[in-house]
Amino acid sequence: NAGVTQTPKFRILKIGQSMTLQCTQDMNHNYMYWYRQDPGMGLKLIYYSVGAGITDKGEVPNGYNVSRSTTEDFPLRLELAAPSQTSVYFCASSDPTDTQYFGPGTRLTVL
Amino acid sequence: AQSVTQLGSHVSVSEGALVLLRCNYSSSVPPYLFWYVQYPNQGLQLLLKYTSAATLVKGINGFEAEFKKSETSFHLTKPSAHMSDAAEYFCAVSDLSAAGNKLTFGGGTRVLVKP
Repeated sequence: NAGVTQTPKFRILKIGQSMTLQCTQDMNHNYMYWYRQDPGMGLKLIYYSVGAGITDKGEVPNGYNVSRSTTEDFPLRLELAAPSQTSVYFCASSDPTDTQYFGPGTRLTVL
Repeated sequence: AQSVTQLGSHVSVSEGALVLLRCNYSSSVPPYLFWYVQYPNQGLQLLLKYTSAATLVKGINGFEAEFKKSETSFHLTKPSAHMSDAAEYFCAVSDLSAAGNKLTFGGGTRVLVKP
């Protein structure tokens, strides 16, 4: 049981490039989330999903897109990367008791 | 809208001393409350959670937290700090009134343990 896995662990992008951050969970959780963590700012919710085929915006969705074609996978897409998207990105899934389980994170730098 | 305030972005304690991390929340409905710990270059892991059962909640690694409705607080304590407790700690509240089991996080408190 791997829990929540994320790839890649690190990535450097140039301004204007695009990329997809991968997230997979093997706990059969319906709810999944994407957060970004900026220094001293805590975690901000980007997008979330309550099940396959259903996604919704969080607090800071601009510049990102998501899809949820399966229960296991919840990729985050960055289009036209900007320096303001330099951050650490965490994926999480939630069990029915509201406990969220986090992946190890992806550290993204946009130059 | 819910919010979480963690007083003190950095706390320094001596090994063996009490650890006290403060968390206050605002919520329009009785909340679920969580404390998570983040070690360097890792994801967050659950320390403990309050879900309207006992107001004193015990978690992993000797931590506990007490829910005080009158003070809208959920402070985290550990009687005796260990070097391995050096990490960042996040308080979070669950929005039970909205879809998605979303959590609102505080800004975090980084704990430094001095030998």
